[in-house]
Amino acid sequence: EIVLTQSPATLSLSPGERATLSCRASQSVSSYLVWYQQKPGQAPRLLIYDAFNRATGIPTRFSGSGSGTDFTLTISSLEPEDFAVYYCQQRSNWPALTFGGGTKVEIK
Amino acid sequence: EVQLVESGGGLVQPGRSLRLSCAASGFRFDDYAMHWVRQAPGKGLEWVSAISWNSDRVDYADSVKGRFTISRDNAKNSLSLQMNSVRAEDTALYYCAKDYSSLYSSYFFDHWGQGALITVSS
Repeated sequence: EIVLTQSPATLSLSPGERATLSCRASQSVSSYLVWYQQKPGQAPRLLIYDAFNRATGIPTRFSGSGSGTDFTLTISSLEPEDFAVYYCQQRSNWPALTFGGGTKVEIK
Repeated sequence: EVQLVESGGGLVQPGRSLRLSCAASGFRFDDYAMHWVRQAPGKGLEWVSAISWNSDRVDYADSVKGRFTISRDNAKNSLSLQMNSVRAEDTALYYCAKDYSSLYSSYFFDHWGQGALITVSS
């Protein structure tokens, strides 16, 4: 099983600041890394797939980078609606799909 | 607009069975693989099961293999998860999720339902 470790667990930032979220895989997942956003009481929302491709309708302030074992989700300037939990998921080792434990981005 | 609506959640005793359903609309259901993903209360996401567009391939997480069965009815645009021999650790919100790609499985999810809560307790 590929283990995904997300850091930090919590990120406390103010609106307008830059957020940098990390996802590290226990073995290479090539570029097959996906990011989701989940707000309280809501289902997850697809943000980024295959490391850097924004999903339909996702604002350009969200960007993804990385390959192999180290990946980053960057939110260039936090909007009030961006405070949420973010999960990474690998689809390299299908069907044994795994998610990271999540990073909560909270208002400072 | 893609809509996925789960039903069938509730309280179930350990060792008993329960069946979840997902009604899909707003897309060509029979073109897409479908998945179940669960989330224990206050916890992260766990992929549970997948079924190909034509049901010729089904996959399960090790944690549910041999106990859960995924199926679909393309004529009715519906997805199901038969849960047998449930355990306390199966307590979670179960999401129905649509695969991103048509006619082959991409193993990531572009639309999710709102979830059905399963509580396993005596």
